[in-house]
Amino acid sequence: AQKVTQAQTEISVVEKEDVTLDCVYETRDTTYYLFWYKQPPSGELVFLIRRNSFDEQNEISGRYSWNFQKSTSSFNFTITASQVVDSAVYFCALSEPTYNTDKLIFGTGTRLQVFP
Amino acid sequence: DAGVIQSPRHEVTEMGQEVTLRCKPISGHDYLFWYRQTMMRGLELLIYFNNNVPIDDSGMPEDRFSAKMPNASFSTLKIQPSEPRDSAVYFCASSPDRGGPQPQHFGDGTRLSIL
Repeated sequence: AQKVTQAQTEISVVEKEDVTLDCVYETRDTTYYLFWYKQPPSGELVFLIRRNSFDEQNEISGRYSWNFQKSTSSFNFTITASQVVDSAVYFCALSEPTYNTDKLIFGTGTRLQVFP
Repeated sequence: DAGVIQSPRHEVTEMGQEVTLRCKPISGHDYLFWYRQTMMRGLELLIYFNNNVPIDDSGMPEDRFSAKMPNASFSTLKIQPSEPRDSAVYFCASSPDRGGPQPQHFGDGTRLSIL
């Protein structure tokens, strides 16, 4: 069974639109960590955010915001007023310290294309 | 600070040849991870080390793959003999040990093509 599900394979938007990337996770651990990474066309993986399971506050960083809801096991990522430079593949990842120490379990990624 | 450094950036070789990928983690980082990325399988963790000791190699596909970390500043991933299905982008990542999983910092990857 998928531990991290990113159901949206590809999303296309026009610049300035808001877009939300979904991430649903599955874990038995009571303490766990969630991450988002960005992989632009150049190929490198860039860390965006880390959130632990005890911190359910939403986070905002510029045009980026994250909505963590334990009740639905989701950690969604919203880009407000998208720009062409946001075009990338975005990965959600889970770490379960009790079972897997520091391993990251990645979702399959969502490819975001922002058109001018 | 220098990031994770991988070499080579690109490698093209014929099947049957030995391939060695190299990684220099960020200084002071205690964890080192090797990943493989393909269209079919996405990002897969192959192996990871803590303080130079392999902790989990369950993702290593088969005996043709081996990884070493002789010291805190260097790791290799070796494929011998290589096969066309090994073609992928291989990433190395490192992270500090500060209690709880920390963000992993990735290198630029090695794009490997086996002909």
